This record gives sequence, structure tokens and C-alpha cells, in this order.
Amino acid sequence: DGGITQSPKYLFRKEGQNVTLSCEQNLNHDAMYWYRQDPGQGLRLIYYSQIVNDFQKGDIAEGYSVSREKKESFPLTVTSAQKNPTAFYLCASINGEPTSSYNEQFFGPGTRLTVL
Amino acid sequence: AQSVTQPDIHITVSEGASLELRCNYSYGATPYLFWYVQSPGQGLQLLLKYFSGDTLVQGIKGFEAEFKRSQSSFNLRKPSVHWSDAAEYFCAVAPRGAGNMLTFGGGTRLMVKP
Repeated sequence: DGGITQSPKYLFRKEGQNVTLSCEQNLNHDAMYWYRQDPGQGLRLIYYSQIVNDFQKGDIAEGYSVSREKKESFPLTVTSAQKNPTAFYLCASINGEPTSSYNEQFFGPGTRLTVL
Repeated sequence: AQSVTQPDIHITVSEGASLELRCNYSYGATPYLFWYVQSPGQGLQLLLKYFSGDTLVQGIKGFEAEFKRSQSSFNLRKPSVHWSDAAEYFCAVAPRGAGNMLTFGGGTRLMVKP
């Protein structure tokens, strides 16, 4: 079955440590997105990538980094510079040209990160 | 800057009752409008979208939404709620011609009483 997988489902880290969240898709989608979800704030865009080896900052990129070495993978690193990293992180992807007027976004199941 | 407001953080309805979830947006021009649903601990699923044309749009799972330009609103409705509809619902907007750049509202959590 095609889809988006995110691992792990729950992640705990100590303050000051970097951590990498995985996002893999086998849908052959071109563009991928990372969102952060906090209670009462909806989803906010962290980074997105339209093609391999290219990515752009979203609204809240500070303290995060990404890479896009393969079409199917878009890992997100939460660095120690992120002041409040505890949140639910969602990955999404779209098929087709990312700059077209619209392509439905498909979401992964998310990773809940807790900083202890 | 564009913004999306969902005034109700929590709503509780009885099973079989009707439902309306409110969404208001602030935007320079009429954006693309969306409703998503999120089950606990899961990703988001698109319920419906509005781009243009008929202001009443039908979606999946028996949901519909009505776009009202004069009120800058895009409220979600369902005539009869089922227990399985308990979830969090998000309204989202995107600029016309850039429908992939979503801005989300804060969400409304729906609880269904038996």
C-alpha cells in the first residue's frame, strides 16, 4: 500500500540534544512538507521541499533543519536551538507540480516529540 | 497577513444531532478554502474544499460547507452526527493559484455524546 510513514510515533529527548524525525513516502510525490502542531494553534509550516536537493523555509523554520537527498525521504532535525520543541510533528506530500494551483496534501500519522 | 479563526475550541453534540463548525478568514481576496479532519494521534484527512462556483460544497462522510463572501466564513455542517465523527476539525485557507501553501485555523475538537 502506498502512503506516508513517520517514525517513531513517540519520541523523547533530553533538553539540549538534537533529534531527527523520519518521513518516508512511497507515493512518488514530488513535494514534501513538515508541519508543527500545538494545541489551539493548528498546523504551522516548518519547511517544504519541491524537488530533491532543494527546500525552503516555512513560517517557523528557526531551530529546525531538513535535507532532501532522495525523493521519498524528507527528514527533519530538531536542533537544540529550538526553544520549545515539544509538539506533534506532521509530514505531508503532494503529487504533481508544487507550484501549480492545487494538489491535495496527504498527511502522515505524525510523531509526538517530548523534551524532558 | 492571512489568518483563519475557528471561534469554538470545543463542541459537544449528541449523536444524531446536527452540527455546525465555524470558520472565519481574513484575506485580501477570496482564498481557496478547506476543511480537514484529524482523528486522535493521526494525520489530517481532507473533507472538502472550495475554489469557486457553487457556494455550497459537498464533501466526504456526509459533510458540507457553505462559503459566504459577505461574512468571510466557510462553516462546516452535518445534518446528523455519528459517534465516529468525534475528532478535531481544521479549517484552512490558501492563496488563489497557490493552493499548496495552507494556513490553518486553531482547530475545533468535537465530542459526541451517546
